Amino acid sequence: AQTVTQSQPEMSVQEAETVTLSCTYDTSESDYYLFWYKQPPSRQMILVIRQEAYKQQNATENRFSVNFQKAAKSFSLKISDSQLGDAAMYFCAYRSARGAGSNYKLTFGKGTLLTVNP
Amino acid sequence: GAGVSQSPRYKVAKRGQDVALRCDPISGHVSLFWYQQALGQGPEFLTYFQNEAQLDKSGLPSDRFFAERPEGSVSTLKIQRTQQEDSAVYLCASSWGRDLSGYTFGSGTRLTVV
Repeated sequence: AQTVTQSQPEMSVQEAETVTLSCTYDTSESDYYLFWYKQPPSRQMILVIRQEAYKQQNATENRFSVNFQKAAKSFSLKISDSQLGDAAMYFCAYRSARGAGSNYKLTFGKGTLLTVNP
Repeated sequence: GAGVSQSPRYKVAKRGQDVALRCDPISGHVSLFWYQQALGQGPEFLTYFQNEAQLDKSGLPSDRFFAERPEGSVSTLKIQRTQQEDSAVYLCASSWGRDLSGYTFGSGTRLTVV
């Protein structure tokens, strides 16, 4: 079974600064997807960024980028120019790319609470 | 609808009471997932539907939990004889199927069992 570990329960950053959230995972599969989700107090999970394991290039979405190290099974999220609206719980998630149906279920880490200080 | 809608947003149940939580996915979405999120934890998989077929219910914690999606659209998660350990946020997510961009989540139902 796959596991996802987020070792930082809480992080804080000054507005306009850069912060990196860590995530490691364990899997025996070679083909999979990794995600970062943001969960504000509204509780809705919002997709921030995704990475396909077969791609060597790190994914980037505006101020959000990842550092994907497949051999090390590491998938960190970097938030640049942090904004007050970035404050939320951030979850790292894994999904198999093989098979069908419920193989597409997500396995989540425990989350990192990000505080942005003005 | 434009998003995944869940109701009620909050539910307080007395221990032993039965509850029903509703999920209205995005129209046309084939796949529907239920997740349970305990306080301070990440969501954990409960069950999966492809249209009206429940293809995986391996995450349901006990036989008190039951889910259905009879017409392949709206889904209901039912919990019988609620216990305090059932207190959690229940999230629903839907997707077209082999959607590689992830899923669209609802805002969840926060269940508190007293």
